[in-house]
Amino acid sequence: EAQVTQNPRYLITVTGKKLTVTCSQNMNHEYMSWYRQDPGLGLRQIYYSMNVEVTDKGDVPEGYKVSRKEKRNFPLILESPSPNQTSLYFCASSPHPGATSTDTQYFGPGTRLTVL
Amino acid sequence: QQPVQSPQAVILREGEDAVINCSSSKALYSVHWYRQKHGEAPIFLMILLKGGEQKGHDKISASFNEKKQQSSLYLTASQLSYSGTYFCGFRDPYDKVIFGPGTSLSVIP
Repeated sequence: EAQVTQNPRYLITVTGKKLTVTCSQNMNHEYMSWYRQDPGLGLRQIYYSMNVEVTDKGDVPEGYKVSRKEKRNFPLILESPSPNQTSLYFCASSPHPGATSTDTQYFGPGTRLTVL
Repeated sequence: QQPVQSPQAVILREGEDAVINCSSSKALYSVHWYRQKHGEAPIFLMILLKGGEQKGHDKISASFNEKKQQSSLYLTASQLSYSGTYFCGFRDPYDKVIFGPGTSLSVIP
């Protein structure tokens, strides 16, 4: 089944404790992206990647890191989480990048992160 | 700059129509529309590429006015299953994707 998977789905942690949220897609998509979703603010892009070893900042990259060593995986790393990073996080992928692409993004199920 | 969506929220009775508007201060190359049910991931509805383009899918359609940097989503004869939050988004020339804050739509019997 074609899908985007994220782990863990729920995470409660404490300030300053490094964590990684994994994202994997089995559709051979080139474009992958991370979003955070907060009430009233919609989905805001954190980082995106157009292909292996290519990553770019989205609108809210501060406090996050990503890597794209393999096409299928795009982990999100919080080196020193803070309470303002408490949010719902979505990973997404689409076949090809490009402003004129008609490719839809497929979203993972989401990871609800709470930082105490 | 995040697109502006209006209205923020709307309540409809089954069978009524609704329009959700999305406008951007930046030039739009493409507009994407997604729907998200509570507690679930966003689901793709449609993408519009060209100015003036209109697309339809079941009783949900959308238009894109590139000059005015606006897009509208039309929901006709709404069904209970249409309830959710609707997001517009656009992809800029650098492949960043920017979504609006969402419009909450509730359809009641």
